[in-house]
Amino acid sequence: GEDVEQSLFLSVREGDSSVINCTYTDSSSTYLYWYKQEPGAGLQLLTYIFSNMDMKQDQRLTVLLNKKDKHLSLRIADTQTGDSAIYFCAESNQAGTALIFGKGTTLSVSS
Amino acid sequence: EPEVTQTPSHQVTQMGQEVILRCVPISNHLYFYWYRQILGQKVEFLVSFYNNEISEKSEIFDDQFSVERPDGSNFTLKIRSTKLEDSAMYFCASSEGRGLEFFGPGTRLTVL
Repeated sequence: GEDVEQSLFLSVREGDSSVINCTYTDSSSTYLYWYKQEPGAGLQLLTYIFSNMDMKQDQRLTVLLNKKDKHLSLRIADTQTGDSAIYFCAESNQAGTALIFGKGTTLSVSS
Repeated sequence: EPEVTQTPSHQVTQMGQEVILRCVPISNHLYFYWYRQILGQKVEFLVSFYNNEISEKSEIFDDQFSVERPDGSNFTLKIRSTKLEDSAMYFCASSEGRGLEFFGPGTRLTVL
């Protein structure tokens, strides 16, 4: 069945780049997503990429998609302490009617 | 910026009681969803709703669960007889088309 895997923790220093990786199984997903969850808060749609794209850049965020390897990554440039949160990778299910989430990567940024 | 809202933010109930979680999706959105997140675990899909009917549901969404769009703005999730394992954060989401789902802040349900 569909599944999304991501590493659980990443620790970086303020000002460094962060790279969060994800692998997924469903090659028919139209979109792939990154959501951000701050402590006690909901899921914020951070960015997304169409499956026919290789890369998308949005200010400090760069999403890279390798469809052949079913690998998605999120790079955050100049990471700030306010970027500390849990980052969820998600893909659409085959019918496009639901999202399948990874377990989330906890990003810890130290000053 | 339009957003999905959910009430209440925290609901405490006794096992066996019925609860209704409420959501107001973004006004021009047509697709509505419920997800849940048990503490420390993945966000799990429960149900999607379109054109006044369920379009997909997961195996979690058994006969104890139901959804309704009682008027033009609200979208509700009812749990008929709550169990301890229903304790979780419940997220409502909406989208204009398929994909690009925007989530609400969640309702934390605690079943005692």
